[in-house]
Amino acid sequence: GAGVSQSPSNKVTEKGKDVELRCDPISGHTALYWYRQSLGQGLEFLIYFQGNSAPDKSGLPSDRFSAERTGGSVSTLTIQRTQQEDSAVYLCASSLGGGNTGELFFGEGSRLTVL
Amino acid sequence: GQSLEQPSEVTAVEGAIVQINCTYQTSGFYGLSWYQQHDGGAPTFLSYNALDGLEETGRFSSFLSRSDSYGYLLLQELQMKDSASYFCAVTPQAAGNKLTFGGGTRVLVKP
Repeated sequence: GAGVSQSPSNKVTEKGKDVELRCDPISGHTALYWYRQSLGQGLEFLIYFQGNSAPDKSGLPSDRFSAERTGGSVSTLTIQRTQQEDSAVYLCASSLGGGNTGELFFGEGSRLTVL
Repeated sequence: GQSLEQPSEVTAVEGAIVQINCTYQTSGFYGLSWYQQHDGGAPTFLSYNALDGLEETGRFSSFLSRSDSYGYLLLQELQMKDSASYFCAVTPQAAGNKLTFGGGTRVLVKP
């Protein structure tokens, strides 16, 4: 597709369940980012991929959170044993990866609600 | 570390001019970006200042002063569709390509 695609767009789950969120970046973009946004708040960095490697995982809140990227393309963010405080919109972004232009291309996000 | 401060909300009428300030504390960064986000939508890139000074893109302009640790986004000839949240962000030099975002400013445009 032309833009960053995320699925599911909405996910409601019960506390303690595991969830997987998927991101399909713009074709050819080597850099991929996951952010989290709580209602009315700013964007909180989670993890950054360059190709299939994650040089910066500093934003992952706990060991319940993990992410992988395969084939330099699709990425999956997994949250194990979800808690209510995990409820947020999870945004994925991609960029060409070279240089620092300040421009990321975001998907519309996956809204996670943990009951 | 990095910290960016923005006003939480600004209200203005159609046709007016709004300036959204962003003050930051950071040890070093490549540039200052601005993003727009409508409710329920994806953040979209507006502008990037790598150097001090003013960058103009249509009705929107962005400014950076590294010596003052300050930047702003100027929205001119406000339209109803400009009602959205606006975020400033920096690309820290010590942190690869990731962006660190401010808390956002909600702009409400009234008729």
